[in-house]
Amino acid sequence: AQSVTQLDSQVPVFEEAPVELRCNYSSSVSVYLFWYVQYPNQGLQLLLKYLSGSTLVKGINGFEAEFNKSQTSFHLRKPSVHISDTAEYFCAVSGVSLVFGKGTRLSVIA
Amino acid sequence: GAVVSQHPSWVICKSGTSVKIECRSLDFQATTMFWYRQFPKQSLMLMATSNEGSKATYEQGVEKDKFLINHASLTLSTLTVTSAHPEDSSFYICSGAIARGDTGELFFGEGSRLTVL
Repeated sequence: AQSVTQLDSQVPVFEEAPVELRCNYSSSVSVYLFWYVQYPNQGLQLLLKYLSGSTLVKGINGFEAEFNKSQTSFHLRKPSVHISDTAEYFCAVSGVSLVFGKGTRLSVIA
Repeated sequence: GAVVSQHPSWVICKSGTSVKIECRSLDFQATTMFWYRQFPKQSLMLMATSNEGSKATYEQGVEKDKFLINHASLTLSTLTVTSAHPEDSSFYICSGAIARGDTGELFFGEGSRLTVL
């Protein structure tokens, strides 16, 4: 079985500052890893995904994540955030089904 | 990316009535559809997995008689909440996969918010 732990439920950060949203996973098999963003009352939008290959994955809106197999982590980063990045971010791992973490609310402060 | 459309986006109903939520893949054939439920400020919980033409597989704790899932075609899956009660109020999200059981590429609908009075 797979599981995902998002270590921070809320992350406040000032505009134009860097941010890192942490995600750790556990799985007994090879996995795919994802980050999704959810704006209020909306569905999920895929930010990026790791399936194989390069461990540094670049996604939309300037986000990137690094797959670290030894630390079983897939942290999401952005060097400079904008107000519009305020949203809920979900890390997910796939196996038989897609399992989501509990989410991290990123609040960007002007 | 591929588009999944959910309808309705919002629905309010009286307790005891049934509500149907549709999930359509607009530009691809969704061999597998996943239905999720999200409570306020919480994560998405998988309710069931349905493969086109087969009965849905429900997660533990999800009542199959209450949450009826139909996946009769490669572009349409429906979730019917039967005899809805206030505790069924939630945000329901579907997602489609092109390949059977493939979670490497999922496309999510916009979600449907159900409020049961």
